[in-house]
Amino acid sequence: EPEVTQTPSHQVTQMGQEVILRCVPISNHLYFYWYRQILGQKVEFLVSFYNNEISEKSEIFDDQFSVERPDGSNFTLKIRSTKLEDSAMYFCASREGTVGGPQHFGDGTRLSIL
Amino acid sequence: GENVEQHPSTLSVQEGDSAVIKCTYSDSASNYFPWYKQELGKRPQLIIDIRSNVGEKKDQRIAVTLNKTAKHFSLHITETQPEDSAVYFCAASRSNFGNEKLTFGTGTRLTIIP
Repeated sequence: EPEVTQTPSHQVTQMGQEVILRCVPISNHLYFYWYRQILGQKVEFLVSFYNNEISEKSEIFDDQFSVERPDGSNFTLKIRSTKLEDSAMYFCASREGTVGGPQHFGDGTRLSIL
Repeated sequence: GENVEQHPSTLSVQEGDSAVIKCTYSDSASNYFPWYKQELGKRPQLIIDIRSNVGEKKDQRIAVTLNKTAKHFSLHITETQPEDSAVYFCAASRSNFGNEKLTFGTGTRLTIIP
């Protein structure tokens, strides 16, 4: 069964540094998402992406965040200048183009900011 | 925006007994309600979902019920087994608006006692 893959599984970064989290969505999917889960808390929506542009972003997704689909397979989340509070598990998800299709999640990247 | 409340936050049941987890949502336009199971350190996995034109859906030992009028939906697990131990998240979205971001509940940690 096809899966969403994410790399790296764990990223440790100094505060103020830039970090790029990478995702390969399922190949025929058209909608892509990033979610974040702070340890012990619920999963929170960050941003959705369709047709090479952001379709919606949450208030968490400020100017320090950006997303990109640099080629036909990768979907990246960049945090320009990381803060301690960015420490969390970041999940990528994708779904087909059909209305109401389920979202499939990757295994996540655990981001630790020191 | 949408707000999803989930109860209880923790639930312990004897193996073989049933478990029920309840969620309420605030946005009457939400029409898609998935349930995800998350084992420690792993991705959220879709276990069942329901759309607003259906009142109940069952898949083997798992069932979900939806009351649109009261804006609440519930997950029912029968004949629980040790492998059902995990954190369960409900979610809600508007599935005909393209973006279809998920708003998650706060999670229920289910422990099955052998």
